[in-house]
Amino acid sequence: DIQMTQSPSTLSASVGDRVTITCRASQSISSRLAWYQQKPGEAPKLLIFKASTLESGVPSRFSGSGSGTEFTLTISSLQPDDFAIYYCQQYNTYWTFGQGTKVEIK
Amino acid sequence: QVQMVESGGGVVQPGKSLRLSCAASGFTFSTYALHWVRQAPGKGLEWVAVISYDGDKTYYADSVRGRFTTSRDNSKNTLFLHVTTVTTEDSAVYYCAKSQSGGYLSGMDVWGHGTSVTVSS
Repeated sequence: DIQMTQSPSTLSASVGDRVTITCRASQSISSRLAWYQQKPGEAPKLLIFKASTLESGVPSRFSGSGSGTEFTLTISSLQPDDFAIYYCQQYNTYWTFGQGTKVEIK
Repeated sequence: QVQMVESGGGVVQPGKSLRLSCAASGFTFSTYALHWVRQAPGKGLEWVAVISYDGDKTYYADSVRGRFTTSRDNSKNTLFLHVTTVTTEDSAVYYCAKSQSGGYLSGMDVWGHGTSVTVSS
């Protein structure tokens, strides 16, 4: 099974900060990686797929990069609406989510 | 409007069964693979199952294989998850989600709001 490990688990930041979340796969997944945002009481929302392709309607302050086993999600300038939990997910071999990264207000 | 709406959750006793449903609209249901994902209270997301666009192929997480069965009725745009021999470990919000493509190698771009299952005696 492919394991996905995100870091950090919790991130404290202020509005306007540049934020980076890392996701590591236990084996190569090429670029078969997606990022999701989840707010309390809501379903996850797809932000990025194929490691770096922005889903339609997602603000351009979100970006993704990486391939193989190491990936990052970057928010260039954190906005009040961005405080949430972020999950990476591999879809190379079955489907596995990372444990999540909570972005909280500093 | 593209949407997916789950139903069928509730309180169920350990060892019992239940069937979850997911009604979809706003897209060509029969051309997309569909997933079930669950989230235990205060925990992260866990992929549960997937079914191919035509219902011919299904795959399950190790944690549910043999107890959960997913199926679909393309004539009614509805996805199902039959859950048997439930344990407290199955208590979670269950989401249905649409694959971005007809195949499996893609993200999940449309999600339902979830239906809550609580296993308790």
